[in-house]
Amino acid sequence: EVQLVESGGGVLRPGESLRLSCVASGFTFDGYGMSWVRQAPGKGLEWVSSINWNGGMTGYADSVRGRFTISRDNARKSLYLQTDSLRVEDTALYYCARVSIEMNRRGIDFWGQGTLVTVSS
Amino acid sequence: DIQMTQSPSSLSASVGDRVTITCRASQSISKYLNWYQQKPGKAPKLLIYSSSNLESGVPSRFSGSGSGTDFALTISSLQPEDFATYYCHSSYSTVEGPFGQGTKVEV
Repeated sequence: EVQLVESGGGVLRPGESLRLSCVASGFTFDGYGMSWVRQAPGKGLEWVSSINWNGGMTGYADSVRGRFTISRDNARKSLYLQTDSLRVEDTALYYCARVSIEMNRRGIDFWGQGTLVTVSS
Repeated sequence: DIQMTQSPSSLSASVGDRVTITCRASQSISKYLNWYQQKPGKAPKLLIYSSSNLESGVPSRFSGSGSGTDFALTISSLQPEDFATYYCHSSYSTVEGPFGQGTKVEV
């Protein structure tokens, strides 16, 4: 059974840092890209960042570029998101998501349940 | 960067109605467009991948179409369990993936 379990969320002040983690199981982790997607309370889905299978390529939304860093450890089957210089507007549920790279089935095909990050002064 | 524009943002419908949601990309994304369904308090669920392919286990009343910049999700006969929010998502790049703004389907 495919599972993605996020952790690391919490309540922080503006300007603080946090590292989110996601542990994968039930599939060949290094056969997939991975993404972080967030959802602010009552709002829509916002793509945050993605990483390819070996960490050699990454992408970031404009809203987080320069403040957030995505990484992965294939030996530990883990995905990370280092979030620095947090802002109130970064408050959201952060989902870890699996990215299929098959040519005919590309994109996010499985989601974790999310970890909540609250930034408040 | 690719931008996705989804419409409408919400719609009212009844059980049995045919419902269509559209999504437009700011540049051609070929067939690389996925659709997701999200219910309150739950993670999104993949419905359609590569514009028109039904994910395993998804009812056949869901269908997708389009290529290039214009795409659509159609529910042929709305069922009670289909009241939810739907999102389109560009999978053109595996390291960039903007979402549409979402469409809430309600009674």
